[in-house]
Amino acid sequence: AQSVTQPDIHITVSEGASLELRCNYSYGATPYLFWYVQSPGQGLQLLLKYFSGDTLVQGIKGFEAEFKRSQSSFNLRKPSVHWSDAAEYFCAVGRGTGTASKLTFGTGTRLQVTL
Amino acid sequence: GAVVSQHPSWVICKSGTSVKIECRSLDFQATTMFWYRQFPKQSLMLMATSNEGSKATYEQGVEKDKFLINHASLTLSTLTVTSAHPEDSSFYICSASTRGFSYEQYFGPGTRLTVT
Repeated sequence: AQSVTQPDIHITVSEGASLELRCNYSYGATPYLFWYVQSPGQGLQLLLKYFSGDTLVQGIKGFEAEFKRSQSSFNLRKPSVHWSDAAEYFCAVGRGTGTASKLTFGTGTRLQVTL
Repeated sequence: GAVVSQHPSWVICKSGTSVKIECRSLDFQATTMFWYRQFPKQSLMLMATSNEGSKATYEQGVEKDKFLINHASLTLSTLTVTSAHPEDSSFYICSASTRGFSYEQYFGPGTRLTVT
């Protein structure tokens, strides 16, 4: 069975500092990997996704993630954090194909940004 | 584009009553909709998958008779929590996907259910 681990429950960074959120997955086949951000009162928003090809994926809001098969990781990074990035971040792995692909989420990392 | 709404955003009901939550895709036709449950400070757990015009497929451990899902049109899915109890209190989130949006789900803002 697939699973996703986000080892950091809560991270605090200063505005302008770099950020890395960790994600490890367990999946028997080639994984489809996602990072979502959840802000209060808003639905989960897709930051980026990896299906195949280039292992460094660029997303919205200046985020990027790198797929490392050997480490079963898909860590999210941002070179300079803004106060508006404070939110809950979820890593997810997709199983199945097509529009019925199901997502298994990690437990999330809450990002706090200090000014 | 690809906006999903949920109604209501929060609801309080008495134990033993039923409550219906609506999920609508506003600007696209959703061939598949998903319902998740999220406990405080925890992850989203998939409850069921529904395809328009078909019966929902429930995840293991989810009571299909308690959580009734109807996907009657390409823009609307409903989740009815029947005979609600305090342990059903949670944050319910829907998402929608469609042909052409391969592997990408668009999420609603969620509905906070409190059963007293």
